[in-house]
Amino acid sequence: NAGVTQTPKFRILKIGQSMTLQCTQDMNHNYMYWYRQDPGMGLKLIYYSVGAGITDKGEVPNGYNVSRSTTEDFPLRLELAAPSQTSVYFCASCWGGLSTDTQYFGPGTRLTVL
Amino acid sequence: GESVGLHLPTLSVQEGDNSIINCAYSNSASDYFIWYKQESGKGPQFIIDIRSNMDKRQGQRVTVLLNKTVKHLSLQIAATQPGDSAVYFCAENGGGYNKLIFGAGTRLAVHP
Repeated sequence: NAGVTQTPKFRILKIGQSMTLQCTQDMNHNYMYWYRQDPGMGLKLIYYSVGAGITDKGEVPNGYNVSRSTTEDFPLRLELAAPSQTSVYFCASCWGGLSTDTQYFGPGTRLTVL
Repeated sequence: GESVGLHLPTLSVQEGDNSIINCAYSNSASDYFIWYKQESGKGPQFIIDIRSNMDKRQGQRVTVLLNKTVKHLSLQIAATQPGDSAVYFCAENGGGYNKLIFGAGTRLAVHP
């Protein structure tokens, strides 16, 4: 299993541009999450999904959108990039919603908005 | 291991010493706590967890202690090795749907 994969690894955007961060997992996990990590800080939850077709906001959803058309994929969309969205983005997945279900993280996408 | 904004607190230890990393959590209703290790350029990796009905749990070279009275977690690493150098995060789970709330992290630097 490849686990959780994310593309691209790095990206530089200009203010106002848009992009989609890709996340795929091959573990047949139902739950998927997007986090952002600002320098020197912990991760903050942007959006999450409990299954295909079901998504909900996390702590910091403004400026982002998500979709979940398949179990495997959970893309994160930035429509109008702003400097405040410069961060490292991590996708994670787990089997279910129990607190004991371990979340597995991807390697991250480093995004810079200039 | 409290957050100090942009600058992560750093714990420097000698190889072979024991390390203790501390974390304060925010929600007294959280029922599950996890420690993650994050190496440079990688995503967080699960180390050990503990339920709120326990006060201690041991793994291989790691021990987690939970003090619910003061909402405090600690991670003890025995015989610290250079490969333990990383940023360590505590996370709490109490909001449903397995949503995690992460602490700011502590950088562990192991010197030979």
